[in-house]
Amino acid sequence: NAGVTQTPKFQVLKTGQSMTLQCAQDMNHNSMYWYRQDPGMGLRLIYYSASEGTTDKGEVPNGYNVSRLNKREFSLRLESAAPSQTSVYFCASSEPGQGFYGYTFGSGTRLTVV
Amino acid sequence: LAKTTQPISMDSYEGQEVNITCSHNNIATNDYITWYQQFPSQGPRFIIQGYKTKVTNEVASLFIPADRKSSTLSLPRVSLSDTAVYYCLVGDDQAGTALIFGKGTTLSVSS
Repeated sequence: NAGVTQTPKFQVLKTGQSMTLQCAQDMNHNSMYWYRQDPGMGLRLIYYSASEGTTDKGEVPNGYNVSRLNKREFSLRLESAAPSQTSVYFCASSEPGQGFYGYTFGSGTRLTVV
Repeated sequence: LAKTTQPISMDSYEGQEVNITCSHNNIATNDYITWYQQFPSQGPRFIIQGYKTKVTNEVASLFIPADRKSSTLSLPRVSLSDTAVYYCLVGDDQAGTALIFGKGTTLSVSS
């Protein structure tokens, strides 16, 4: 099925551990995004990649790094996890020029840092 | 992106029409108004988008007055399955920009 695939779906980390969240899309979209959503809150933009080879900071980039591996894949890395990074992480993709209606979101990665 | 203001929460009963108003006083000439819906434990999904006047699709209607400083999402005859968070977003989709979500409006539909 076409869409955005995120792995893993669930993860528990200890404080200080590192991990990489994976995201892949098969819609040939140029732009990809990482958001986090804390309980009862809206989504906050962490990083985005307007096109392959470019990345830009969003609203809450501290503590994260990203890699646009190729057009399909956009990974998010936590180098030293902290309890404040406990959240649900959503990846999305879109094709610029198609309007904001074209965002497709993954099903999310639920991360708990203890 | 223009800042938006919408109610934090709304309650309704099944079968009623629900109108959620969003204020966007600083909307720019090229900005579109877009609404997304998010169910619990899922990513947001597109509902409707408009530039001016009225737009209608199989899910909702979007009313935009001439000054475009506000917009109203209208959900006809809601059901329990319409319980979700609704986000109003305003912006111009150009390369290099990204959707910025606010807290949205949590709609609770009861029987």
